[in-house]
This record gives sequence, structure tokens and C-alpha cells, in this order.
Amino acid sequence: QKEVEQNSGPLSVPEGAIASLNCTYSDRGSQSFFWYRQYSGKSPELIMFIYSNGDKEDGRFTAQLNKASQYVSLLIRDSQPSDSATYLCAVNIQTGANNLFFGTGTRLTVIP
Amino acid sequence: GAVVSQHPSRVICKSGTSVKIECRSLDFQATTMFWYRQFPKQSLMLMATSNEGSKATYEQGVEKDKFLINHASLTLSTLTVTSAHPEDSSFYICSALGGGGDTQYFGPGTRLTVL
Repeated sequence: QKEVEQNSGPLSVPEGAIASLNCTYSDRGSQSFFWYRQYSGKSPELIMFIYSNGDKEDGRFTAQLNKASQYVSLLIRDSQPSDSATYLCAVNIQTGANNLFFGTGTRLTVIP
Repeated sequence: GAVVSQHPSRVICKSGTSVKIECRSLDFQATTMFWYRQFPKQSLMLMATSNEGSKATYEQGVEKDKFLINHASLTLSTLTVTSAHPEDSSFYICSALGGGGDTQYFGPGTRLTVL
């Protein structure tokens, strides 16, 4: 059974700090990994995806993937109060986004 | 960017009625759309995968006769909750597969409340 685990939080960081969000998955054959942000009462919006081991950077966001250890993380640099949201990790055993399995999310609060 | 709309955004209905939710990809064609349900403080749970021109694929435990899905065109999928009951109250979110298959674009969601 596929499992995607996230610490539910809440994770609190001061404004300007680095927020580190972690996600582990059970299916070693997983190929595609996604981070979504979801504001309260709203639907998820894609932050970024990563397929290969290592780091992938997009603006203030960096996704880190380690397939051997079966974890993927999201770093948010220079955290802003507007980053306060629930961050969802999603995993697919195939390449692409056609069959995502979501974690329960980590709630992040950035304190001004 | 790719935009997915959902209508209605909010619906309140009496127990026993049927509710139809529309999901549209506005600026791209989506052969595959997905329907999720999210209960408070829980993650998204995939209900079914909808492919244009064919029957939807339902996840285990989701009643296909209760949640009717139609994907009649490359830009429209509909979910009909038949004979809704209070336990069906939830946040229903659709998504469309785009970006060459690399991305699911989510609609804004429909909050259903069954009295």
C-alpha cells in the first residue's frame, strides 16, 4: 500500500528564516514527486515537481529528492507571512502527474 | 498558465437531492481529469479518474452509482452526487492533467453541504 508521510505540524518559523518541510514515501519505485501549497478553504496550487535525485531550485523554493532514503523535502528561503499555508507532498509511481498519492500535509506558519 | 474552473463554488442542498458539479479546463485540452474529495483537516482523496470519451475509473470504496462522472469533451467533466446525504458534505476538487502530463492543475473546489 502506498503511503506518503508528512509531519502535520504546525511548523512555525520567523519571517525571513528558512522553512524545511519533509516527506517520506513507502513505494521505493516512485518516480515523480510534487509539492503543492493549499491555503485554507482553497484548492492546491503547484509549487514544483522533481523527478531526479538532488536539488531543484525555483525562486525561493528548493526541492530535494533522495530516492535511496525515500524522502523528498521542500525548503522555503526568506519565508514570508504569505507562505503560511498547508504544504502537500504528492508522489507518483510513474513519470508524470497522472496518478498522484497525497500526504496529509504540513501546516506552516510564518510569524511576522 | 493553465486554468481550471469549477462550478458551483458552493452548494447547499437538502438530503436526497442530486447535485451536479462542472469542471472545465479553460485554456487547454485535458483528456484526463480527476475528482478528489477533501474532508476538514484531511488530505485529498482521489475519487475517480475521468478520461474523455470513456468510463471513469473509480477508486476502491467509491460508489460509481452514487458519484456519476461524465467526461464528454476535452474541456469538461462533470460529477453528479446522486441522492446526497449529510455524510457527503465535503470539499470536492477537480483537476486536469496538463503540461504534457507533468502537472495536475486544480480547480478552485466546490463546497457541498447537505442538510
